[in-house]
Amino acid sequence: DTGVSQDPRHKITKRGQNVTFRCDPISEHNRLYWYRQTLGQGPEFLTYFQNEAQLEKSRLLSDRFSAERPKGSFSTLEIQRTEQGDSAMYLCASSTPVLGGREEQFFGPGTRLTVL
Amino acid sequence: QKEVEQNSGPLSVPEGAIASLNCTYSDRGSQSFFWYRQYSGKSPELIMFIYSNGDKEDGRFTAQLNKASQYVSLLIRDSQPSDSATYLCAVPSGTYKYIFGTGTRLKVLA
Repeated sequence: DTGVSQDPRHKITKRGQNVTFRCDPISEHNRLYWYRQTLGQGPEFLTYFQNEAQLEKSRLLSDRFSAERPKGSFSTLEIQRTEQGDSAMYLCASSTPVLGGREEQFFGPGTRLTVL
Repeated sequence: QKEVEQNSGPLSVPEGAIASLNCTYSDRGSQSFFWYRQYSGKSPELIMFIYSNGDKEDGRFTAQLNKASQYVSLLIRDSQPSDSATYLCAVPSGTYKYIFGTGTRLKVLA
């Protein structure tokens, strides 16, 4: 399977614990996005990487959230001291620039986080 | 005002009818617009992209863009039950960020 993969698919944790999610993008894609989606809402942008550089981070993202893409390939998203409000689906997407402005983001299956 | 607005629906149409989904955006500088389809429990997938005023057709799908009115729509002709999903409008914001609407849930009745 050459699509975007995410691990784990489901994570249940207790409030206050730290969690880390992994995303493996499509291999030739240099752009990687993290989103959060809650029920009835569209994906909410969290952060963007171009290769290993984190070029944009949502102002809504608290300092409990951190993301890395150390070698420009896979990426991790860590949430420290989880809160119940962090419960959501965390989506990773990757893309590559295309002439004409059409950038298709390919989404992974997501990691569903439940904070008890 | 939200940056990207969609009616959450559900929008119910009979099989074979035309489904019309609408999206308004606030940033007059936006240049390109994307429609994603998301089946329940699945991830979004791109179905249409438009950046010029007017219509763009791809099979049963037509995207319509009116930059003066800050309005983009998606028409689905000959709607099928398999088209039942949530349709998300996405607009780039700034250099790297994308803003998604809340999505419109479409139900095609057999």
